Amino acid sequence: KNEVEQSPQNLTAQEGEFITINCSYSVGISALHWLQQHPGGGIVSLFMLSSGKKKHGRLIATINIQEKHSSLHITASHPRDSAVYICAVSTGTASKLTFGTGTRLQVTL
Amino acid sequence: DAGITQSPRHKVTETGTPVTLRCHQTENHRYMYWYRQDPGHGLRLIHYSYGVKDTDKGEVSDGYSVSRSKTEDFLLTLESATSSQTSVYFCATFSGWLFFGPGTRLTVL
Repeated sequence: KNEVEQSPQNLTAQEGEFITINCSYSVGISALHWLQQHPGGGIVSLFMLSSGKKKHGRLIATINIQEKHSSLHITASHPRDSAVYICAVSTGTASKLTFGTGTRLQVTL
Repeated sequence: DAGITQSPRHKVTETGTPVTLRCHQTENHRYMYWYRQDPGHGLRLIHYSYGVKDTDKGEVSDGYSVSRSKTEDFLLTLESATSSQTSVYFCATFSGWLFFGPGTRLTVL
């Protein structure tokens, strides 16, 4: 069993829909990261959080440390949000990360 | 963007040949990482560095070595390339935030 599990693996939504991507982990962590991988392959960090909730534009990330669960929400989704969203947890020193396998999101018009 | 470049961006090589991938950063970040990305596995840590000449193994380090003689450069060497090392390789740095290079697509025939 992977230490980091994401669901769903694939998600198709229509423009404007509210989207939720889930991440569960089984180890103690120092931080959780949400990443976005564009269709061209580039990876960018969206959030790093260790408690509570963070918001950036239409993106919201939450984490529940007790339940070992995090969610990434996208409000008013748009086709440009189509990408793979990756959850990763940081454990121990040196910020080594363990990654989920990603959620592929496609937003259609 | 932490000014991370990777070279080469694409490489095709033959089994048994040595290959060196270079990661260069311009932001003086202390932590640097090499990951490989394969379908169904997510990103997996090969080696990481927490300073000049300070490196350590990740979860998939067999067949790989690294060197970091300057803060800005982190080299990944495949000592004798095998077909199982065909992958996309990402370099990353961490300094309160995670930054990724553009990736190197390596094919071992």
